[in-house]
Amino acid sequence: GQQLNQSPQSMFIQEGEDVSMNCTSSSIFNTWLWYKQDPGEGPVLLIALYKAGELTSNGRLTAQFGITRKDSFLNISASIPSDVGIYFCAGSASTNAGKSTFGDGTTLTVKP
Amino acid sequence: ETGVTQSPTHLIKTRGQQVTLRCSSQSGHNTVSWYQQALGQGPQFIFQYYREEENGRGNFPPRFSGLQFPNYSSELNVNALELDDSALYLCASSLGLAANYEQYFGPGTRLTVT
Repeated sequence: GQQLNQSPQSMFIQEGEDVSMNCTSSSIFNTWLWYKQDPGEGPVLLIALYKAGELTSNGRLTAQFGITRKDSFLNISASIPSDVGIYFCAGSASTNAGKSTFGDGTTLTVKP
Repeated sequence: ETGVTQSPTHLIKTRGQQVTLRCSSQSGHNTVSWYQQALGQGPQFIFQYYREEENGRGNFPPRFSGLQFPNYSSELNVNALELDDSALYLCASSLGLAANYEQYFGPGTRLTVT
């Protein structure tokens, strides 16, 4: 089956620093999604990417859909304490984002 | 607050028992997907329902079954519970099947099997 490798597994950074995390897949995806999950809650969609090479921003977050369609990265600029949480990448081979394959997450800790 | 609710919040069951988890979709959403999230891992797709019909299934045995009702609320049933079924079960609803229809996740049901 499809597998996503997400790295790094965890990050400890100082407030104000930039963060970068990425996902690679053994299969081609047609949609890449980035989610954030806080304790006791379900994942919340941050950015959705639908075309190879696409670069999309959402405030301090920027994500790119790799041109091979097998990878994606997420950057967070000027991190703040509320960025703490678990970030998941997810990919969908179909046009149906509801059947996504998720990575195992990057746990982000931001020290004030 | 996504408008997607799940019940119960927590549940403890014994191995071999059966369990039913419930999900109420966001208003107007006709598609629901269920995911299993083991501790320290990402959600794994169980199955999806679209307008009361199953529309795809992940790598889960038949003892995981579901239903979607005319009001688009949904149930996940698990028979013959095993210890490895202990996880957070998430449902997510969306407007339809297209990729650009965002999924909204509920807070999940934490199932513990002893």
